[in-house]
Amino acid sequence: GAGVSQSPSNKVTEKGKDVELRCDPISGHTALYWYRQSLGQGLEFLIYFQGNSAPDKSGLPSDRFSAERTGGSVSTLTIQRTQQEDSAVYLCASSLGGAGRRVNYGYTFGSGTRLTVV
Amino acid sequence: QQQVKQSPQSLIVQKGGISIINCAYENTAFDYFPWYQQFPGKGPALLIAIRPDVSEKKEGRFTISFNKSAKQFSLHIMDSQPGDSATYFCAASRGSSNYKLTFGKGTLLTVNP
Repeated sequence: GAGVSQSPSNKVTEKGKDVELRCDPISGHTALYWYRQSLGQGLEFLIYFQGNSAPDKSGLPSDRFSAERTGGSVSTLTIQRTQQEDSAVYLCASSLGGAGRRVNYGYTFGSGTRLTVV
Repeated sequence: QQQVKQSPQSLIVQKGGISIINCAYENTAFDYFPWYQQFPGKGPALLIAIRPDVSEKKEGRFTISFNKSAKQFSLHIMDSQPGDSATYFCAASRGSSNYKLTFGKGTLLTVNP
């Protein structure tokens, strides 16, 4: 597609349930990022994938969070045993470059998944 | 520790006026400073970006001013229009880990007609 696609756009789940959020990056973009946007808190880095390299998971807030990227394309962010503090908009972005690339590698963000834990 | 501080939190400007949003950073290793624009229900979109080897970059009505010694940079929107009403985020990244952007908390800009 022309842009980064995320699904679902909205998700309401009960506390304690697991959720999976999906991201389809722009074709040909080797770098993929997940960020979390909480009200009034800006964007918080979660995880980064670059090609076949090991992902940078340093931003994941707890071991309930995990992500994978299959075939260098689609990514899934999984949150296990959801808590109310997990409620936020989860944004995925992709770019042409990554670490070491001295190019204008501006991110292209998807529209996000709004997660509400009740 | 918040590495990029953004102000003001919200801003109201009349049509035709100048909107100014400021950011300050702490990490002197940061070497890439983009601004993103976000409309409700959409993801942020890259607006303009600057590297510290220049003090100013202009694209249309949008200008970034950069002060390396003060560790500050700002976004100026000239001739502000109601269509500019959005949330603006500054960000920064550094060197070898320049893929990881650190964002400010955002400024909600409202341009009144």
